[in-house]
Amino acid sequence: DTAVSQTPKYLVTQMGNDKSIKCEQNLGHDTMYWYKQDSKKFLKIMFSYNNKELIINETVPNRFSPKSPDKAHLNLHINSLELGDSAVYFCASTKTPGAGYEQFFGPGTRLTVL
Amino acid sequence: QKEVEQNSGPLSVPEGAIASLNCTYSDRGSQSFFWYRQYSGKSPELIMFIYSNGDKEDGRFTAQLNKASQYVSLLIRDSQPSDSATYLCAVNELNSGYSTLTFGKGTMLLVSP
Repeated sequence: DTAVSQTPKYLVTQMGNDKSIKCEQNLGHDTMYWYKQDSKKFLKIMFSYNNKELIINETVPNRFSPKSPDKAHLNLHINSLELGDSAVYFCASTKTPGAGYEQFFGPGTRLTVL
Repeated sequence: QKEVEQNSGPLSVPEGAIASLNCTYSDRGSQSFFWYRQYSGKSPELIMFIYSNGDKEDGRFTAQLNKASQYVSLLIRDSQPSDSATYLCAVNELNSGYSTLTFGKGTMLLVSP
């Protein structure tokens, strides 16, 4: 199936730990994104990569470090996890970063920090 | 800070009625507008997009755009219980020379049988 996939689907961890979320798209898209959706369902962009290059970093704490080994993958590493990091993290991709192209979302990773 | 505003709802309509979802945005330079549907526990999926002023119809869905009023809406005709979801309005804006989507907080729609 052509899609955006994420692993893991659920992640439960203790405060202070370091964790990673992986994202892969097989749609041939050039641009990938990480979004955070909080408990109030507000979906907010965190990062955007175009052809492995960071193009958008939306005032996210530097504990969050995205890495794009190739244009089909965008991983998110989080250091020193805090309670406020609990949220659903969505990866998305689009054909180009230009206006008007649909963004396709992955299934999400629900992160719970205890 | 560019903003996209939606009434959080819930908007409750009976089955078969027309549901009207509204969205306003702050950036007059916004070029394209999207409606995503998100079922509980699922990821957002695109319903419709619109670029030009006026109406755009796709099946039971009609998107309406008024750039002068900075207003975009989604009408759902013959609402079905399966339409019950949160509807996210998203506006395409320029950020560091690239386009990004800014989402509203979503309107929850409940369609009762």
